[in-house]
Amino acid sequence: GAGVSQSPRYKVAKRGQDVALRCDPISGHVSLFWYQQALGQGPEFLTYFQNEAQLDKSGLPSDRFFAERPEGSVSTLKIQRTQQEDSAVYLCASSPFRDFASYEQYFGPGTRLTVT
Amino acid sequence: SQQGEEDPQALSIQEGENATMNCSYKTSINNLQWYRQNSGRGLVHLILIRSNEREKHSGRLRVTLDTSKKSSSLLITASRAADTASYFCAHTGANSKLTFGKGITLSVRP
Repeated sequence: GAGVSQSPRYKVAKRGQDVALRCDPISGHVSLFWYQQALGQGPEFLTYFQNEAQLDKSGLPSDRFFAERPEGSVSTLKIQRTQQEDSAVYLCASSPFRDFASYEQYFGPGTRLTVT
Repeated sequence: SQQGEEDPQALSIQEGENATMNCSYKTSINNLQWYRQNSGRGLVHLILIRSNEREKHSGRLRVTLDTSKKSSSLLITASRAADTASYFCAHTGANSKLTFGKGITLSVRP
């Protein structure tokens, strides 16, 4: 079946622009995660949704980062007034379980954001 | 910040050889997982080992977990060129978040 999809795959933004990154999780997956992966590093947790509820946003680096999942399926990660340090790959993952900590997560291909 | 450490950071082997990668962590864990990431692509889950397990196998993969030493190892037997990728260990703990290490770059020469 279809996996997690993300769009766009690549995004170049001028410093100060706003960007929106989209994630389509696997159909029926209740848990959805966003991660930020800097070059040469492992992914770092940003935020977590269970259905439409954002239960953990402790990893969002600043109030310029905002995520939503209004209908419990598609999610959007928005970054306002982008800065160069926001350049990274943004990964979305989903899990069919509420008790996601006990199971694997399914990752999308990521969106590579470059801020110039 | 990342709380896992893998070693070596990079590994280059000949096709057919075995590859061993190690991972250490700092907190108590519920489980430890290994993921693979090919260049420019997302992460693919390889294997999960729970905190009450010591060893697990999946095909050419063997994972061990030593909770007393807070460490894990991933062994890939009879490596293939297609195994060339970055490998990450990740663990979940009390806060349920998946915490990744920095990754190991494996190159398998044909």
